[in-house]
Amino acid sequence: GAGVSQSPSNKVTEKGKDVELRCDPISGHTALYWYRQSLGQGLEFLIYFQGNSAPDKSGLPSDRFSAERTGGSVSTLTIQRTQQEDSAVYLCASSSGLAGNEQYFGPGTRLTVT
Amino acid sequence: AQSVTQPDIHITVSEGASLELRCNYSYGATPYLFWYVQSPGQGLQLLLKYFSGDTLVQGIKGFEAEFKRSQSSFNLRKPSVHWSDAAEYFCAVAAGGSDSWGKLQFGAGTQVVVTP
Repeated sequence: GAGVSQSPSNKVTEKGKDVELRCDPISGHTALYWYRQSLGQGLEFLIYFQGNSAPDKSGLPSDRFSAERTGGSVSTLTIQRTQQEDSAVYLCASSSGLAGNEQYFGPGTRLTVT
Repeated sequence: AQSVTQPDIHITVSEGASLELRCNYSYGATPYLFWYVQSPGQGLQLLLKYFSGDTLVQGIKGFEAEFKRSQSSFNLRKPSVHWSDAAEYFCAVAAGGSDSWGKLQFGAGTQVVVTP
């Protein structure tokens, strides 16, 4: 079946603009995660959705970052007023949500802020 | 606070030789432990995981890892490396507990180069 998909694969934006990154999880997966991978910071957790529970936003680096998950499926990560330090690969993952189940990662969106 | 340390940033190994990648964690209880691999231009793929039970776990692609509580380690091994094993390897720990057990904290990664 289809894996986790993310769009766009690449995004170049000017400093100060807003961007939206999309994640389509594997059908039926109740848990969805966003991570960021950058040269300076490695792989960092951003936010975690599990079913209808309130998301765990503890990894969001600033209030310019937000995410939503509509209908328990597709998720959008929004970065407002982008800064150069936001340049990174943004990875989405999904899992069945049961303890110990594997997170399946998408290919990522490479964001470049100029 | 929990942490994951991969002491080796870069390892070069000859094809056919054995490989061991080190991972140390800091956590109050027994964590859920994972090894992921990221090949160039590819997404992260799970190699293996440890939650409880047998401390030697087998994974895909011929990899295994051993959990050693006394050393807070979860080292990854492969007896004979293939050129296709050239990639970056990440050790990760999950928080545990019912609220956000799935939130992974990753080590900095170890880049593996395989020479002929």
